[in-house]
Amino acid sequence: AQKITQTQPGMFVQEKEAVTLDCTYDTSDQSYGLFWYKQPSSGEMIFLIYQGSYDEQNATEGRYSLNFQKARKSANLVISASQLGDSAMYFCAMREFGNDMRFGAGTRLTVKP
Amino acid sequence: EPEVTQTPSHQVTQMGQEVILRCVPISNHLYFYWYRQILGQKVEFLVSFYNNEISEKSEIFDDQFSVERPDGSNFTLKIRSTKLEDSAMYFCASTAGGSVYTDTQYFGPGTRLTVL
Repeated sequence: AQKITQTQPGMFVQEKEAVTLDCTYDTSDQSYGLFWYKQPSSGEMIFLIYQGSYDEQNATEGRYSLNFQKARKSANLVISASQLGDSAMYFCAMREFGNDMRFGAGTRLTVKP
Repeated sequence: EPEVTQTPSHQVTQMGQEVILRCVPISNHLYFYWYRQILGQKVEFLVSFYNNEISEKSEIFDDQFSVERPDGSNFTLKIRSTKLEDSAMYFCASTAGGSVYTDTQYFGPGTRLTVL
């Protein structure tokens, strides 16, 4: 069974607008961490933002925020004020206690000028 | 800012040959990982390593694969007899500790392995 589901293979957004990238996850653990990584065309994996399962507040890092809805098991990434440099693949990942990270299939975001 | 480094950035090899991919994790980190990403697909976990031992491995990590920390800084992934399907980007990652709450895995830039 898929642990991490990203249902949007591709997304387009106009420069300066906000965009939400969806991520749902499946776990029976109470303790887990959720991560988002950006992969530009150059291939490296860049850490963006982290949310712990017991964190009551949604995580924010600059223009990135994580819309964490624990009951729905969703951890959507919101990018505000999109920039051309935000065009990349975005991966949602989860780490359960004692296990290592499992990644979703990714969403390719294209920012249009 | 400290970062994970990997060498080489691109390796081309013939099927059946052995390859060693090298990583230098962030210096105070204790947990090390290898992942692979076949072109156009998602990132897949291979193995985690702590205290000079494998702590977890996936079903992908079969007898063809091995990992080693030969000294205080390097962390290597060896593929003994490469197959065409081993062609992928291989990422090394490290964390300071093993907690899911605070320990982000920082990835290296990757080594693109091409098996001909």
